[in-house]
Amino acid sequence: GAVVSQHPSRVICKSGTSVKIECRSLDFQATTMFWYRQFPKQSLMLMATSNEGSKATYEQGVEKDKFLINHASLTLSTLTVTSAHPEDSSFYICSAREGDRGGEKLFFGSGTQLSVL
Amino acid sequence: AQKITQTQPGMFVQEKEAVTLDCTYDTSDPSYGLFWYKQPSSGEMIFLIYQGSYDQQNATEGRYSLNFQKARKSANLVISASQLGDSAMYFCAITSGGTSYGKLTFGQGTILTVHP
Repeated sequence: GAVVSQHPSRVICKSGTSVKIECRSLDFQATTMFWYRQFPKQSLMLMATSNEGSKATYEQGVEKDKFLINHASLTLSTLTVTSAHPEDSSFYICSAREGDRGGEKLFFGSGTQLSVL
Repeated sequence: AQKITQTQPGMFVQEKEAVTLDCTYDTSDPSYGLFWYKQPSSGEMIFLIYQGSYDQQNATEGRYSLNFQKARKSANLVISASQLGDSAMYFCAITSGGTSYGKLTFGQGTILTVHP
């Protein structure tokens, strides 16, 4: 089946630094990818929709300048957490949609645990 | 806006028994899809089963079946013959059809514990 690769799986950084997370579709083209955030023991919350070749669409309350999303190719979307602070510590996970039709074709990456010291 | 409600924070089941995880949804979209995912402690989201709003039959995938009652807006997950490896968090999620397909709204999840 289709695979979405997400790196890194875990990152620890100092407060004030920026962290880049990659989400890559390995065997299909993903015109649209999604980024979610999950706090411990809570549900996943959609942060933004990443569209290849255009600007990302952010959900209400998500700071676009803090969470920079780039979808430069049909197989790669990146999320950069800029000037990270301890409150940004969370589990970030991406998903990719195969094609433009409906149906079940949604695939998740394995997630990134971000810890900001 | 769409909403998913999972009313069972935790469920316990004996190994080899069946268990039902509840999920109700709310949406104004005529076309939508319903998903169930399993999330073990590693964090990955494992796809279990999908039901489209226009599907006439309930979805089944191996030991997983979805009890889809459209009029009641419920999409309960049934796991038959539970195994110890089924212990995990389970999320129900909904997405619209059309161009918004893929934007998932998740429920709060149910932690399933399978006892030997």
